[in-house]
Amino acid sequence: DAEITQSPRHKITETGRQVTLACHQTWNHNNMFWYRQDLGHGLRLIHYSYGVHDTNKGEVSDGYSVSRSNTEDLPLTLESAASSQTSVYFCASSERLQGGLADTQYFGPGTRLTVL
Amino acid sequence: QKEVEQNSGPLSVPEGAIASLNCTYSDRVSQSFFWYRQYSGKSPELIMSIYSNGDKEDGRFTAQLNKASQYVSLLIRDSQPSDSATYLCAVKTGGTSYGKLTFGQGTILTVHP
Repeated sequence: DAEITQSPRHKITETGRQVTLACHQTWNHNNMFWYRQDLGHGLRLIHYSYGVHDTNKGEVSDGYSVSRSNTEDLPLTLESAASSQTSVYFCASSERLQGGLADTQYFGPGTRLTVL
Repeated sequence: QKEVEQNSGPLSVPEGAIASLNCTYSDRVSQSFFWYRQYSGKSPELIMSIYSNGDKEDGRFTAQLNKASQYVSLLIRDSQPSDSATYLCAVKTGGTSYGKLTFGQGTILTVHP
């Protein structure tokens, strides 16, 4: 069955370290997204990609970067981790629809990141 | 004004009752609308998508869309304790960003026996 996976599921790191969160999907979806979820803020979009070599900034992109070298993977990098980046991170993917419509986004299981 | 707003919870209903969850959005050209359910500690999972005005039913769930009034709602009939979760409304806002969704802050629903 097609799926979307994230690794690691839990990560503790120190302030200033570089951290990379992996996201891998076997749906063969063109669209991939990274969100963070914090209490009181819901899901906030960090970065997204509509295809290989395409990346775009979301509403909370400062301090994060992504690259898309193939269809299946969109790793999220925290360049220099800060305590404010302690959060739960979700990766999602969706297919591209015509006519300006959006398809369902399917979410990975999430990564809980703690920055000390 | 937030782009997508949900009725502030938490919402508590007795088992067997109808739970009504509401969501308003600010972008008049929005075309795609989704309801997700998220259990504590889990990832969001799709309950319903709706693209046209009117009602869409799936089992105990009914999504209602009114583009003129810019709101979308989710009704859960015969609510069960297993329906206790956070419900997220998501809307495709904007014109050309054909995959990007904006999420509301979520409504916590508790169904008590």
